[in-house]
Amino acid sequence: EAGVTQFPSHSVIEKGQTVTLRCDPISGHDNLYWYRRVMGKEIKFLLHFVKESKQDESGMPNNRFLAERTGGTYSTLKVQPAELEDSGVYFCASSRDRNTEAFFGQGTRLTVV
Amino acid sequence: DAKTTQPTSMDCAEGRAANLPCNHSTISGNEYVYWYRQIHSQGPQYIIHGLKNNETNEMASLIITEDRKSSTLILPHATLRDTAVYYCIVRPRGGSGTYKYIFGTGTRLKVLA
Repeated sequence: EAGVTQFPSHSVIEKGQTVTLRCDPISGHDNLYWYRRVMGKEIKFLLHFVKESKQDESGMPNNRFLAERTGGTYSTLKVQPAELEDSGVYFCASSRDRNTEAFFGQGTRLTVV
Repeated sequence: DAKTTQPTSMDCAEGRAANLPCNHSTISGNEYVYWYRQIHSQGPQYIIHGLKNNETNEMASLIITEDRKSSTLILPHATLRDTAVYYCIVRPRGGSGTYKYIFGTGTRLKVLA
């Protein structure tokens, strides 16, 4: 069974540009989560999808971040326009339902210069 | 904020048992204890979880005190590959509460040859 897949693994963009991160959850997992770790800080929750619906988006830092999960399969996280403080590692996780453990992808390292 | 307290770092000799403590004195009745680890900059890896009974799987054992205010993760025969940051997380199951994982600073375990 394939794990959670994230693409790209690394991205370097200039301030003001747009970047889109993609997450493919484990097949059959309705729940999908986005987290991120910025330099020197703890891993922080961004949002939680149940199928295509946003269940909890309390961790989204501002309106420059837009997450979608059309069709309830893969998800994208768009940052537009990117700022220097957005640099960090973005993790995606998925779980079969809300009560089961989540499995994380390897992350996308985003560097904004 | 994380509801758990863990030591910042620990060392363990290779081949010996690693016992990682966690305090969660404000844990609620419907909250489970989860353990994850992060090796280098990889995505967090699920280890084990439990409610009140001791749990064991192929990776580790979880011992939860009777009052559920603390727990210990045990890696029975630590290897160099177990060097990682270990996170103890309390998270509800069931109901309508948030299902996000709240990561603290974790315990940096170093396995020594």
